[in-house]
Amino acid sequence: SQKIEQNSEALNIQEGKTATLTCNYTNYSPAYLQWYRQDPGRGPVFLLLIRENEKEKRKERLKVTFDTTLKQSLFHITASQPADSATYLCALDIFSDMRFGAGTRLTVKP
Amino acid sequence: EAQVTQNPRYLITVTGKKLTVTCSQNMNHEYMSWYRQDPGLGLRQIYYSMNVEVTDKGDVPEGYKVSRKEKRNFPLILESPSPNQTSLYFCASKRSAQTYEQYFGPGTRLTVT
Repeated sequence: SQKIEQNSEALNIQEGKTATLTCNYTNYSPAYLQWYRQDPGRGPVFLLLIRENEKEKRKERLKVTFDTTLKQSLFHITASQPADSATYLCALDIFSDMRFGAGTRLTVKP
Repeated sequence: EAQVTQNPRYLITVTGKKLTVTCSQNMNHEYMSWYRQDPGLGLRQIYYSMNVEVTDKGDVPEGYKVSRKEKRNFPLILESPSPNQTSLYFCASKRSAQTYEQYFGPGTRLTVT
């Protein structure tokens, strides 16, 4: 069956360090993958999209990689800040049906 | 301000009492969808609509109905709610089925007793 797994339910890191979140999928061949941020009590907010022919994408302190052979995306936040604390979701768009991972809750401690 | 709105934000109801959660977007988006979010399961798509009068089932459509009579509105209907429909519900929209970025509403927390 098709699965999307974000390998950590929670990740705690120290301010200033790089946070790395993982998204693995099986039995999909997505054309692209997205990352969203969700704060408590709010809806997800789109952050980045990476296409299957792109190895890496950057936006300010965010970096996403996409390895279609490993079926894995890595999401990095460099120079992390307490304000980066949130749940991060990866999502694959399978035709018109978007599938989300369960999310990783990131806490950045000052 | 471009946004997706949902009402109500919180709802406690009893088993079997029909309810509707409204969703509206002001961005002239063609595509709208409903998700439910449960701990450990993430967001699961209930229904989606690619345009007015066009709706289709997502992953978990059982027990739900939708309609899309106007472009801006996409209500979610629970004809006979049951406790297993207690969840956090999100409406979302995007410009079209071919675009990527989805805009989510603030969520509706539903409790069915």
